[in-house]
Amino acid sequence: EDQVTQSPEALRLQEGESSSLNCSYTVSGLRGLFWYRQDPGKGPEFLFTLYSAGEEKEKERLKATLTKKESFLHITAPKPEDSATYLCAVLRTIKAAGNKLTFGGGTRVLVKP
Amino acid sequence: NAGVMQNPRHLVRRRGQEARLRCSPMKGHSHVYWYRQLPEEGLKFMVYLQKENIIDESGMPKERFSAEFPKEGPSILRIQQVVRGDSAAYFCASSSQRQETQYFGPGTRLLVL
Repeated sequence: EDQVTQSPEALRLQEGESSSLNCSYTVSGLRGLFWYRQDPGKGPEFLFTLYSAGEEKEKERLKATLTKKESFLHITAPKPEDSATYLCAVLRTIKAAGNKLTFGGGTRVLVKP
Repeated sequence: NAGVMQNPRHLVRRRGQEARLRCSPMKGHSHVYWYRQLPEEGLKFMVYLQKENIIDESGMPKERFSAEFPKEGPSILRIQQVVRGDSAAYFCASSSQRQETQYFGPGTRLLVL
């Protein structure tokens, strides 16, 4: 069974204080790893897809990286508007698994001014 | 380009009633997914549909829950004889034939009294 574990569960940062979120996964053949951002009372908002070890993607203050066992989401010089829950999810290569995403529990990030 | 639309956004039902949740995928998307987020828990896959076909329903409870995606109109997630444990946020996502990225709607928050 696929497993996705995110750490830490919660992260409090001062504005400008860079940090990293971890997503470790166990999956039989990774087709893709996805990062989403979720604000309270809203649906997950797509951020990145990573497909192979060594791949990196960037968007504003966010940078996602992927290894064979984990992914990191780096937040550089965060601002209060970066406060949200960040979700990691995996998609398997096996066709019989369909297209279902398996999500981690998320990391709640609070950036204080 | 409208995103994934869900309605209603909030739904209150008494135990034993039926709940119908609707999802209109993004324009050009033919794949629909339903996920459930229980209080203090992560997102869990329920069902994956394409037009007029259920592809994978491995995450959906065997009783009381059903889903459809007719040729015309939105996808419907139906919960019969709701119980308090059904209270959760239900999210719909959609993807295109060519890309695997799933885009989420704002969710329907179901409260069972």
